[in-house]
Amino acid sequence: KNEVEQSPQNLTAQEGEFITINCSYSVGISALHWLQQHPGGGIVSLFMLSSGKKKHGRLIATINIQEKHSSLHITASHPRDSAVYICAVRWYSGGGADGLTFGKGTHLIIQP
Amino acid sequence: GAGVSQSPRYKVTKRGQDVALRCDPISGHVSLYWYRQALGQGPEFLTYFNYEAQQDKSGLPNDRFSAERPEGSISTLTIQRTEQRDSAMYRCASSLAMVRQANYGYTFGSGTRLTVV
Repeated sequence: KNEVEQSPQNLTAQEGEFITINCSYSVGISALHWLQQHPGGGIVSLFMLSSGKKKHGRLIATINIQEKHSSLHITASHPRDSAVYICAVRWYSGGGADGLTFGKGTHLIIQP
Repeated sequence: GAGVSQSPRYKVTKRGQDVALRCDPISGHVSLYWYRQALGQGPEFLTYFNYEAQQDKSGLPNDRFSAERPEGSISTLTIQRTEQRDSAMYRCASSLAMVRQANYGYTFGSGTRLTVV
């Protein structure tokens, strides 16, 4: 079973600050996803990574396969970025099956 | 359809009753995942399918939970003899490709809020 740890669990920052959310996992993976869940409950898939770095607008996601670690960065943060950010990993569980494990999420609040 | 559709949106049921939750993925999507999320908690994986084949059901809490996807499209998650601890948001997600082809992301449904009273 893959263990997924996110940090911090809660983060409150001021508008404009650079935000970093971290995700570590224990077993080799085929892909890592960063998800955003808004207070109303809807989930949006932000990034899927298997190596390197991806950027979309003010969001940047990086992954280090050797260190089993990924980070999600938000530049010039804005109150509308307030949400729960969830890391999820797909991994080989053996016997031809894949597993999917979610982190507990990071609750981000950006204050104006 | 344009997105992943789940029904019903809300379900209130009495303890001991069976419930069936439906997920209609995006047409052509190969992989379909079920997961649930209790209030204030992160998502918990339940099971997933590639086409009609159930690949991994290790996340199903117990044998009251079952899922099927008989024609490789619509999937039904069934909970028998519901208990209050089954109350949660049940979501599904679909993906264009099989899970080892790590180039495609998920599209999530809006979920079914199940309340067992």
